[in-house]
Amino acid sequence: AQKITQTQPGMFVQEKEAVTLDCTYDTSDPSYGLFWYKQPSSGEMIFLIYQGSYDQQNATEGRYSLNFQKARKSANLVISASQLGDSAMYFCAMRERPGNTPLVFGKGTRLSVIA
Amino acid sequence: DAGVIQSPRHEVTEMGQEVTLRCKPISGHDYLFWYRQTMMRGLELLIYFNNNVPIDDSGMPEDRFSAKMPNASFSTLKIQPSEPRDSAVYFCASSFHAEAFFGQGTRLTVV
Repeated sequence: AQKITQTQPGMFVQEKEAVTLDCTYDTSDPSYGLFWYKQPSSGEMIFLIYQGSYDQQNATEGRYSLNFQKARKSANLVISASQLGDSAMYFCAMRERPGNTPLVFGKGTRLSVIA
Repeated sequence: DAGVIQSPRHEVTEMGQEVTLRCKPISGHDYLFWYRQTMMRGLELLIYFNNNVPIDDSGMPEDRFSAKMPNASFSTLKIQPSEPRDSAVYFCASSFHAEAFFGQGTRLTVV
């Protein structure tokens, strides 16, 4: 059974600083995808970034990057140059055989960016 | 594309009433998912469809919950009869490749 663990219920970061949100996963399937979603206070779920288990390079999307350490089964999200608008809940998720199974989510981390 | 469209955005209903939530996935997407989000349980998968066929409904809490996907552009989640513990945000999501895109959600309150 797949499982996602986010150990940080809440995080604070100063504006313009970088922050790392932790995520570890557990799966026995060699083919899987890892995702991060942002949920602001307005409630919508916004897709941020995707990493495939066979991808050689770490995924990057603008200020977001995914620090993928396969042997450690970790997929941490790094947000560079934090902005006030980054304050939100962040969810890590996984799909085994990406595209063929549903997403399983972690409990989330609430990030607060301080001016 | 307009994205995944859910309706209504908010629903307040009395216990015992029937509730129907609606979802229009992104055109061309072949997977559709229904999730429920609560503070206590986080994001839970209720059911998902592939090419309009239900694949796994093991997350549906009880027989009071049912979901249909009569065609590629429409799905419903029905609760009958509704109970206060059904109060939650219900999300619909669709995907074609790995990424799944979510609708705005329906906030359901059962009083």
